[in-house]
Amino acid sequence: AQSVTQLGSHVSVSEGALVLLRCNYSSSVPPYLFWYVQYPNQGLQLLLKYTTGATLVKGINGFEAEFKKSETSFHLTKPSAHMSDAAEYFCAVSKGGGSQGNLIFGKGTKLSVKP
Amino acid sequence: DTAVSQTPKYLVTQMGNDKSIKCEQNLGHDTMYWYKQDSKKFLKIMFSYNNKELIINETVPNRFSPKSPDKAHLNLHINSLELGDSAVYFCASSLRLSLDTQYFGPGTRLTVL
Repeated sequence: AQSVTQLGSHVSVSEGALVLLRCNYSSSVPPYLFWYVQYPNQGLQLLLKYTTGATLVKGINGFEAEFKKSETSFHLTKPSAHMSDAAEYFCAVSKGGGSQGNLIFGKGTKLSVKP
Repeated sequence: DTAVSQTPKYLVTQMGNDKSIKCEQNLGHDTMYWYKQDSKKFLKIMFSYNNKELIINETVPNRFSPKSPDKAHLNLHINSLELGDSAVYFCASSLRLSLDTQYFGPGTRLTVL
């Protein structure tokens, strides 16, 4: 069975600082991995996803994530935080092979950005 | 035009009542989903439908019954509402039943008193 662990329910950074949100996964099959962002009172929006191929994935708004199989990790980074990045971030894993599209979400990390 | 829309946005009701939440997508997608987000922001899939056919039912109580009249709509009906049903319910859709990007609606905040 798949599962996702997001380390740190709340991360606070200063504007312009590096953003690092951690995600570790557990999967018995090759995982497909996703990062979603949820702005206050809104639905989720896909930031980026890893399916196969290049392990460094670039997403929207300057975010990127690297799939590291040996570490079972898919951490999300952004070189320089902006105030508009303040939101809740969710890591998710799905079964491979095109079956069912069932997303298993982590518990989320709330990112705060200080001026 | 909103890609995935839900109505109502807020729903406040008494225990024991029956209520419905509607979802519509205008993306031409084949697959639609319902998720529940609890007070701690934990998101869990409830159902998925592909071409109007139920694919996933993740141990959700029988009081919850999804209905898909056509590919563009997936409604959620809840009978005999309980306090524990209070949550934000999100509808989502994807092009196919696979690893395509899921597009989420804005959510419906259900409060059961």
